[in-house]
Amino acid sequence: NAGVTQTPKFQVLKTGQSMTLQCAQDMNHEYMSWYRQDPGMGLRLIHYSVGAGITDQGEVPNGYNVSRSTTEDFPLRLLSAAPSQTSVYFCASSFTGGNVDEQFFGPGTRLTVL
Amino acid sequence: RKEVEQDPGPFNVPEGATVAFNCTYSNSASQSFFWYRQDCRKEPKLLMSVYSSGNEDGRFTAQLNRASQYISLLIRDSKLSDSATYLCVVNNDMRFGAGTRLTVKP
Repeated sequence: NAGVTQTPKFQVLKTGQSMTLQCAQDMNHEYMSWYRQDPGMGLRLIHYSVGAGITDQGEVPNGYNVSRSTTEDFPLRLLSAAPSQTSVYFCASSFTGGNVDEQFFGPGTRLTVL
Repeated sequence: RKEVEQDPGPFNVPEGATVAFNCTYSNSASQSFFWYRQDCRKEPKLLMSVYSSGNEDGRFTAQLNRASQYISLLIRDSKLSDSATYLCVVNNDMRFGAGTRLTVKP
């Protein structure tokens, strides 16, 4: 199993550009989530999904959209990038939910917005 | 007050030392707790869950104190390979602490 994969590994955007961060898992996990990690802030939940067709907002959803058309994929879209979105983004999945179950994280995407 | 707080460290300890970290939480209704380990520029990985009665996994011991609303992680006989950042995670909202950085020195 590849586990949780994320692309790209690195990305530089200009303010106002849009892009999609890709996340896929091959463990047949129902629960998937997106976090951002900033120095001194820990990981903060952006959006999550409890299954295909179902998404919900986390702690810091503004400026991001998600969709979950399949069990395997959970892309994160930045609608109009801002310097405040410079961060490391992690995708995670778990069999049921991260509150009761181990979360498996992807390797992360390092995003810089100029 | 942050919902989940950790001492950021860094904790610098010699090999073989015993070191303990605490993580305090503000939501008294919190039900589930975890410790994750994160190496530099890598993704977090589960170290251990924290059970009400406390639990041990080799050199690692996790404990929960509901009355004072904190969890702890004790590492005995520290190894160089234990150098990492340790993140606590609390409850259904998946609130992560900012992490405690540990460096074990020869």
